[in-house]
Amino acid sequence: GAVVSQHPSRVICKSGTSVKIECRSLDFQATTMFWYRQFPKQSLMLMATSNEGSKATYEQGVEKDKFLINHASLTLSTLTVTSAHPEDSSFYICSARGKHNEQFFGPGTRLTVL
Amino acid sequence: AQSVAQPEDQVNVAEGNPLTVKCTYSVSGNPYLFWYVQYPNRGLQFLLKYITGDNLVKGSYGFEAEFNKSQTSFHLKKPSALVSDSALYFCAVRPPLISSGSARQLTFGSGTQLTVLP
Repeated sequence: GAVVSQHPSRVICKSGTSVKIECRSLDFQATTMFWYRQFPKQSLMLMATSNEGSKATYEQGVEKDKFLINHASLTLSTLTVTSAHPEDSSFYICSARGKHNEQFFGPGTRLTVL
Repeated sequence: AQSVAQPEDQVNVAEGNPLTVKCTYSVSGNPYLFWYVQYPNRGLQFLLKYITGDNLVKGSYGFEAEFNKSQTSFHLKKPSALVSDSALYFCAVRPPLISSGSARQLTFGSGTQLTVLP
């Protein structure tokens, strides 16, 4: 099946710094990518939807200036958590939609802000 | 708006016994229904989906799910559980193609932690 990778898998940073997470579709082109956030033992909450070459659509309550999303190509989307704070610590998962509308999920990135 | 309910936070079953993880949904029209499994600190892995056709859907690792339109349910089942099946299971729904834009997003249930006891 299709493969979606995320990098890094785990990151620890100091409060106030910015962190960039990459999401790549390795063997297919994804016109749409999704970013989710998951707190421990909770479900995935959609943060934003990004379409290649256009601005991301953010879900209600998600700060677009804090969570910057760039979808520069059909195989790469990035999420940058700006001025991270401890409450931003979470598991971030990306997903890419293939041409048959199936969604494939990345392995996730564990962000810990000290 | 669509929604998914997984009424059980935790399901425990003995190895070798059949397992059921429950899911009910609410969506306009004919839904697309999915089951995903998540192992600790990992992303979601696709198990199976229902779009149309036979109400009994067979998926990966011996799992199957039955679509019941009258009860708006899509319960996940396996005839004989393995200890390695222990994981977090998510049911998800997506509205049909007649919807557009953000309305076609996947909506996830709250998840059910399955523990298979040896």
